[in-house]
Amino acid sequence: QQPVQSPQAVILREGEDAVINCSSSKALYSVHWYRQKHGEAPVFLMILLKGGEQKGHEKISASFNEKKQQSSLYLTASQLSYSGTYFCGTWDSGTYKYIFGTGTRLKVLA
Amino acid sequence: SQTIHQWPATLVQPVGSPLSLECTVEGTSNPNLYWYRQAAGRGLQLLFYSVGIGQISSEVPQNLSASRPQDRQFILSSKKLLLSDSGFYLCAWTAEETQYFGPGTRLLVL
Repeated sequence: QQPVQSPQAVILREGEDAVINCSSSKALYSVHWYRQKHGEAPVFLMILLKGGEQKGHEKISASFNEKKQQSSLYLTASQLSYSGTYFCGTWDSGTYKYIFGTGTRLKVLA
Repeated sequence: SQTIHQWPATLVQPVGSPLSLECTVEGTSNPNLYWYRQAAGRGLQLLFYSVGIGQISSEVPQNLSASRPQDRQFILSSKKLLLSDSGFYLCAWTAEETQYFGPGTRLLVL
């Protein structure tokens, strides 16, 4: 079953923070985060494997809760370049197929 | 390093015409390869995946087919395009559990 992301869309001013959530009804083996800019292919941001893990990449970081059913992506002091659609991704343990979350559209305004 | 190529970048085709999209991967051997389609403003729909030469799994019954004639080559085809086939087609491969995408082919069926 496809992970659900929230919010579906968010608009920020430059310098503001945002949190994007990815939730599953069952424990996830791992979580991956991607950003897709308009008209381009998704780009991998980071992977989380362990419950309770937190990982950072410049001003973008992510966490994976202890039960491994929710991951959050944190965007700090957002920049115009952060605009795009963010997807979480994971392997479905039942079918061993890769599935993406529902997506979150983020727009940063000057 | 690994690189994934797709061509053409953009394609405009009439309804009922055939289609052939090509994806090649460099710098790795025996990759798992995937074809996704993304309709405008929507998420990623998995179409086909392949774990080896001649091994294709179809996710969605439709008028598209895929082939893997060589280890690092993945082809998406159709005998007769439909209007609903329009979209952004992405080829991806898996490395260390993460999906990496090619630049994509934008297809418009008129």
